[in-house]
Amino acid sequence: DTGVSQDPRHKITKRGQNVTFRCDPISEHNRLYWYRQTLGQGPEFLTYFQNEAQLEKSRLLSDRFSAERPKGSFSTLEIQRTEQGDSAMYLCASTRGDRSNSPLHFGNGTRLTVT
Amino acid sequence: TQLLEQSPQFLSIQEGENLTVYCNSSSVFSSLQWYRQEPGEGPVLLVTVVTGGEVKKLKRLTFQFGDARKDSSLHITAAQPGDTGLYLCAGNTGGFKTIFGAGTRLFVKA
Repeated sequence: DTGVSQDPRHKITKRGQNVTFRCDPISEHNRLYWYRQTLGQGPEFLTYFQNEAQLEKSRLLSDRFSAERPKGSFSTLEIQRTEQGDSAMYLCASTRGDRSNSPLHFGNGTRLTVT
Repeated sequence: TQLLEQSPQFLSIQEGENLTVYCNSSSVFSSLQWYRQEPGEGPVLLVTVVTGGEVKKLKRLTFQFGDARKDSSLHITAAQPGDTGLYLCAGNTGGFKTIFGAGTRLFVKA
């Protein structure tokens, strides 16, 4: 169990640029989640996958955001035409099992700064 | 709209003091979880409570789930500087979407 890995740890980009983040979940974890966390707040749900299927998306996820999990393993989160309001920590978590209260295992996040 | 409200937002205490933080909602949750997050890291699960009225203890931490499964509390006895961090409650109303409260930031001074 090597834990959830996120890459990069930090990303600084200029407004209007596209960015892509990667998450490698714990192997055999079938559910993968993306959250966004701003300073002083708890994680806000963005989306989750059951294997390769994206089952729910938050209304926070505008059409500039897209997430994929093509083979049911790693996932990518892309933000197009970044805005300063997108600056935040993007957290990925994974879990397994059929219970809704299975513990989420988080990565250490990707901190995005949009200048 | 599901919402988990945590209080207080910030707590600064001396080592050895006791404290309680709260997590409240108008919604019924099938389970509630408490996580602790340190700067630059992701949250780490402390406990899951699933039964109304349930009490769980983890060393100096005591977690309680309300009878109506709408609220929870975390009590820390004899706080230590190592308890410093952001304490988050999280819940599901039955599906697989887990939502989080805004957290209580605890600072324990030596």
